[in-house]
Amino acid sequence: DVKVTQSSRYLVKRTGEKVFLECVQDMDHENMFWYRQDPGLGLRLIYFSYDVKMKEKGDIPEGYSVSREKKERFSLILESASTNQTSMYLCASSKAGAVNTEAFFGQGTRLTVV
Amino acid sequence: AQKITQTQPGMFVQEKEAVTLDCTYDTSDPSYGLFWYKQPSSGEMIFLIYQGSYDQQNATEGRYSLNFQKARKSANLVISASQLGDSAMYFCAMREGYNFNKFYFGSGTKLNVKP
Repeated sequence: DVKVTQSSRYLVKRTGEKVFLECVQDMDHENMFWYRQDPGLGLRLIYFSYDVKMKEKGDIPEGYSVSREKKERFSLILESASTNQTSMYLCASSKAGAVNTEAFFGQGTRLTVV
Repeated sequence: AQKITQTQPGMFVQEKEAVTLDCTYDTSDPSYGLFWYKQPSSGEMIFLIYQGSYDQQNATEGRYSLNFQKARKSANLVISASQLGDSAMYFCAMREGYNFNKFYFGSGTKLNVKP
């Protein structure tokens, strides 16, 4: 069974903390994504990576950074967490090179910043 | 401009009836793919159905079908014979040929199936 696994289902962090959200996929996919999901706004792309050590900003990268040191792992970093980063975070992966390959998602991490 | 627009924030349907969830898209790329995902209350995103821009036939997968109207740039999801387990958020998404690294998602439609 193909899998994208996020390290935590629920997280509570304090304002100003550095937060790491980890994502691992076992499908040898080139592309990996981090989305943020808020009610009424759908999924908004934060960052994506198309290869090891390669990354591109998405639509809302401010306040976030990412790391991809190995093909299977893509980390989202909140350098200094703020309350407006309270949200659901979804990691996804997909094969590169064609429009007809779907994205596979992790189970999501619900982050609360207090 | 929004790449994917879903204009129905919430919908109700009676069990066993059919329901259509609307999706319009915006692209100038002749090559693109359209996807529908289901997100139950547990949070995971489940891929339902895919339609390619060059596909001549509307896609179907079991009770799901995609009403693809290319000239209108619409890709509506039709769920036949609704079941209580169909209650969920539904997202339309697009991947473009010139930048297939990105998926664009709509804001979603919350479907409630009534017994």
